Amino acid sequence: QVQLVESGGGVVQPGGSLRVACAASGFTFSNYGMHWVRQAPGKGLEWVAFIRYDESNDYYADSVKGRFTISRDNSKNILYLQMSGLRAEDTAVYYCAKDRGAELLLPGSFDYWGQGTLVTVSS
Amino acid sequence: DIQMTQLPSSLSASVGDRVTITCRASQGITNSLAWYQQKPGKAPKLLLYGASRLLSGVPSRFSGSGSGTHYTLTISSLHPEDFATYYCQHYYSAPPAFGQGTKVEIK
Repeated sequence: QVQLVESGGGVVQPGGSLRVACAASGFTFSNYGMHWVRQAPGKGLEWVAFIRYDESNDYYADSVKGRFTISRDNSKNILYLQMSGLRAEDTAVYYCAKDRGAELLLPGSFDYWGQGTLVTVSS
Repeated sequence: DIQMTQLPSSLSASVGDRVTITCRASQGITNSLAWYQQKPGKAPKLLLYGASRLLSGVPSRFSGSGSGTHYTLTISSLHPEDFATYYCQHYYSAPPAFGQGTKVEIK
């Protein structure tokens, strides 16, 4: 069965950096694009970033462009999100999510989600 | 970028009621629309994609319809486990975007 397990969340000061990871299993990781989606406390869902199955391109929300970097290691089945220049408004639960379609070039819908990891930006 | 407007933001309903949630895109998205259900403290769950395609294992009381810029999610008869927050999401182009969510509460 598909499993996505996030790790690496925690408390970080404004302006700081943090890397969260997502370990994937139960499917051929290298065939699927992957996403990060976040949810601030009590708020709705916000798409953050997408990386193609073959790492050939990535896409970002305007709110994180230039500060966050999505990457993946297809040999280890791990997805990453490197966050820098963190702001209070980046405080959220960060979910990794699998794209439903195989080998798609653009972001699609999300058929499996991890349990999320909480990132808190506070001094 | 395409924006999604989801209405209502919340609704109260009883078990057995028929419920409809609407999502409107700022431009045509050619059925590139998904619906999710989220319960408190849990990750969202995909219900439908392609505007009307039910994911395997999702009860048939959930259905989706629409075209162009206007889409709806209908729950034909609310079950107790359906009380949750529902989100639409377009994936017509990058960046994909979610609607603001609709919280379905018990009347």
